[in-house]
This record gives sequence, C-alpha cells and structure tokens, in this order.
Amino acid sequence: KNEVEQSPQNLTAQEGEFITINCSYSVGISALHWLQQHPGGGIVSLFMLSSGKKKHGRLIATINIQEKHSSLHITASHPRDSAVYICADTNTGNQFYFGTGTSLTVIP
Amino acid sequence: DTGVSQDPRHKITKRGQNVTFRCDPISEHNRLYWYRQTLGQGPEFLTYFQNEAQLEKSRLLSDRFSAERPKGSFSTLEIQRTEQGDSAMYLCASSPWTGELFFGEGSRLTVL
Repeated sequence: KNEVEQSPQNLTAQEGEFITINCSYSVGISALHWLQQHPGGGIVSLFMLSSGKKKHGRLIATINIQEKHSSLHITASHPRDSAVYICADTNTGNQFYFGTGTSLTVIP
Repeated sequence: DTGVSQDPRHKITKRGQNVTFRCDPISEHNRLYWYRQTLGQGPEFLTYFQNEAQLEKSRLLSDRFSAERPKGSFSTLEIQRTEQGDSAMYLCASSPWTGELFFGEGSRLTVL
C-alpha cells in the first residue's frame, strides 16, 4: 500500500521567512506532484517532478528518489502563500495517492 | 476560460435522493479522475478514465456510485440513495499525456 506522509501538518510563519514542507512516500513512483489548495476548495498544481529540482518564482520543489522524499520550499513567504499544500504521488498515472496536506499560515 | 469545470458547485439533498455531478475536462486531456475530499483530509481516489474507458475504480466505492464518460469528453458521477456519509467535496481533475493535473473547483454535496 502506498502511503504518503507530510510534515508538518500545520505551520505558522512570519512574512519573509523561508518555509519547508516535507513529503515522504512508501513505494516507487513515476512522478510526485505538489498542489496548493485555498479555502473554498480549488486545487492548483504547483509542480510535477520525477527527479532533481524545479523552481517557479519563489517556490522550489526537490525530490530524492532513493530516499523517497520530496520537499517544497517557499522563499520570502507572503500572506498570500497561506493555503494547504498537498503532495501526491503516482506510479502509473492511473491513481494518485495524496497526503493529508500541510496548512500554512503566513502572518504579516 | 478553458479550465476544468464542474457543475453544480453546491448541492443540498435529502437522504435517499439521487444526485449527479458533471465534469467538463480540458478538451485535449484524455485522462479524467474523480476524487472525494472531506474536511481536513487529502483527496481520496474514486475512479479514473482514459478517454471513454473506466480503467480503475476504488474498492471503497460502493455500488451506489457510478461514473461515465460516454464520448471521452465530459463525465458524470452519480450517487444513488445518498447517505449522510456521502457529504463531501467531489473533485474532478483532468490530465494530458504528460501527466500534469488540472483540477476543477469541485462540487460540494450536503446530505441532510
């Protein structure tokens, strides 16, 4: 059974702080996704990666296939980054397994 | 806007009634997924289509749930004889062959 675990579950940061959210998974995967969900439901895909590192603006995602671990980093955090961040993995693209999410609050 | 759209956004129904949700994926996307999400939890897989073929279905999905994607474009998710435990957000996502996920805004179901 594929288990996806995220840490921390909740995170509060001051504006400008560097933030790291971690994701561990238990079985081999073909891709890992980082998603952002704002209150009200809408989910936006941030990254899809299968190796190495990707960067988009102030967001950086890394993955270590050997250690079955991925991290999402936010540099110079801002209150508008407040959201739930979810990681999800897939082996075949037929099914995705989701973590329970990390709720981030950035205080001005 | 040509993103994933879901309808209705909110549905309140009485226990025992049937409900149907519709998802219109991004037009070039051959993969379509349905998920269910309850408060404080990550999305839970329900079913997956590649074009019109339903390739995977969660074992958690009772026979009250059925999904179709008749022409490989839009999809419907029907819940028969709804129960209070069915109250959740029902999310649809589509994906091109490259694998990125694009989610709709979801359909929130409340069963009274």
